Amino acid sequence: SVLLYQKPNRDICQSGTSLKIQCVADSQVVSMFWYQQFQEQSLMLMATANEGSEATYESGFTKDKFPISRPNLTFSTLTVNNARPGDSSIYFCSSRLGDTLYFGAGTRLSVL
Amino acid sequence: GDSVTQTEGQVALSEEDFLTIHCNYSASGYPALFWYVQYPGEGPQFLFRASRDKEKGSSRGFEATYDKGTTSFHLRKASVQESDSAVYYCALGANSAGNKLTFGIGTRVLVRP
Repeated sequence: SVLLYQKPNRDICQSGTSLKIQCVADSQVVSMFWYQQFQEQSLMLMATANEGSEATYESGFTKDKFPISRPNLTFSTLTVNNARPGDSSIYFCSSRLGDTLYFGAGTRLSVL
Repeated sequence: GDSVTQTEGQVALSEEDFLTIHCNYSASGYPALFWYVQYPGEGPQFLFRASRDKEKGSSRGFEATYDKGTTSFHLRKASVQESDSAVYYCALGANSAGNKLTFGIGTRVLVRP
């Protein structure tokens, strides 16, 4: 398996500010994924990030709002720009080993 | 597009009861099918997968059989414990590698001691 560590595990921010979520894998992984989960709802894939290339975003998610960096094979950051209360949710990083996805513990974001 | 339907939003049981969570999918070909479990405050954990017709996946006493005829991958456990209380997600992989997962809405399982 692959272990993914996210930081912070929880954050509260004011509307209009930006915040950064970090994800570190305990081994090198080709692709990292970011998921969004609203309370009591399922997980939604936001984007796929491969090392050294632009992230690929799913419908409804944009680079301007959720820029993602992937500087090496163990690290990725997700930024939430111009945060709004509607962005309040849990953000998970995920990575694939073989054909199985593994998830970090999540970052719970509350936007006031 | 691909989709996963879990019909039970919440299931309440007593310990040693039999658990069934229904999962049906819609996709072309032979997608990979997965079950994940999510405990409070944690990320989803992989339970098991299957990728071809009649293949059975199992882990921790849970099992499911890939049925292409009925497009189903129902989760079952013969005797649940309180520690099985969690949210269970059925998921579908966009290809056999499953690198892009489509999740169902999840089923919350509450097991009373």
